[in-house]
Amino acid sequence: EAQVTQNPRYLITVTGKKLTVTCSQNMNHEYMSWYRQDPGLGLRQIYYSMNVEVTDKGDVPEGYKVSRKEKRNFPLILESPSPNQTSLYFCASSLNSLPDTQYFGPGTRLTVL
Amino acid sequence: QQQVKQSPQSLIVQKGGISIINCAYENTAFDYFPWYQQFPGKGPALLIAIRPDVSEKKEGRFTISFNKSAKQFSLHIMDSQPGDSATYFCAASRMDSSYKLIFGSGTRLLVRP
Repeated sequence: EAQVTQNPRYLITVTGKKLTVTCSQNMNHEYMSWYRQDPGLGLRQIYYSMNVEVTDKGDVPEGYKVSRKEKRNFPLILESPSPNQTSLYFCASSLNSLPDTQYFGPGTRLTVL
Repeated sequence: QQQVKQSPQSLIVQKGGISIINCAYENTAFDYFPWYQQFPGKGPALLIAIRPDVSEKKEGRFTISFNKSAKQFSLHIMDSQPGDSATYFCAASRMDSSYKLIFGSGTRLLVRP
């Protein structure tokens, strides 16, 4: 089954404690992205990757890091989480640059106390 | 600065009625306009998309209308069903960087039986 998986699905943490949210896709997609979803703001792109070792900032990259060492994985790293990073996070992958082929993961609900 | 403005924030429609969600964009370089449907606890899923070379695109009960001069586009759901109850997001991007989607703030649709 073609899918994008994220782990964990739910996470409660404290300010300053480094965390990683994993994202993996089994469709051999080249493009992957991270979004955060906040009420009244829709989805905002954090980072995207066009291929292995190729990443670039989206609209709200501050406080986040990513890496793309393998085609299938695109982890999101919060080195020092803060309460304003409390949000619902989605990973997405697409076969090519066109969103027509884009699949979203199920989401990770993060709470930073 | 919100580049894609979506309205209404919420919408209640009776079964069988027409649901209409509107979006307006600012960047005239945008030339790809998708709509996403999101059910509770799930990631967004592409519903229908339009490019500005056409003024309307229909897929089943879902229709996108596009007005290039007004920089507006809208989603019409004909014969709305309770199963259509979800949050809908419009988005926009440039075809040459269509992986960089700008989302609207979302519309929560409730279709009453």
